[in-house]
Amino acid sequence: GQNIDQPTEMTATEGAIVQINCTYQTSGFNGLFWYQQHAGEAPTFLSYNVLDGLEEKGRFSSFLSRSKGYSYLLLKELQMKDSASYLCAVRDQDYKLSFGAGTTVTVRA
Amino acid sequence: EPEVTQTPSHQVTQMGQEVILRCVPISNHLYFYWYRQILGQKVEFLVSFYNNEISEKSEIFDDQFSVERPDGSNFTLKIRSTKLEDSAMYFCASSDSREYSYEQYFGPGTRLTVT
Repeated sequence: GQNIDQPTEMTATEGAIVQINCTYQTSGFNGLFWYQQHAGEAPTFLSYNVLDGLEEKGRFSSFLSRSKGYSYLLLKELQMKDSASYLCAVRDQDYKLSFGAGTTVTVRA
Repeated sequence: EPEVTQTPSHQVTQMGQEVILRCVPISNHLYFYWYRQILGQKVEFLVSFYNNEISEKSEIFDDQFSVERPDGSNFTLKIRSTKLEDSAMYFCASSDSREYSYEQYFGPGTRLTVT
């Protein structure tokens, strides 16, 4: 099975940078995804890592270290609309996605 | 931009009743999924479906649940005899491959309330 841990809440100021950490223990690893979920809405895809290193997509970057079972999502130049829950999800060898409980990010003016 | 659609957006039912939640995946996608999210909790995998059969299911997906692709476009989740603890948001998702970076696209969800 999967055990995925991420902080419950984070608060940051508009224009700042926030890093959301995710650690996982898995019986099989086939990629790590980050999703954004606004309250009452569906998760939307942000990023994917399967090899170690940093993947950059505009204001969002994601990092993976498979040996440490660790990933982070970096949000730069924070905007008010970035206030949401950020979900770390691990795909196992059977292609099932297991989600962490999510990190609620609040962006303040 | 193509999207996954789900109906109804909100379903209220009495305990013990059967419900069918409907999804229309993105048209060229081949893999279909159901997830649920109990209010305030994490998203949980229920089942994946490919080539007209279940490919994986979680321990949550017991005999009360079933999935079907009755035609070329719809993908349904049936709960035979609903329980109070089935109250949750149910998300359908689809992807065109399981491999590599092919992400799963989620529908807007159906909020199921069992009274």
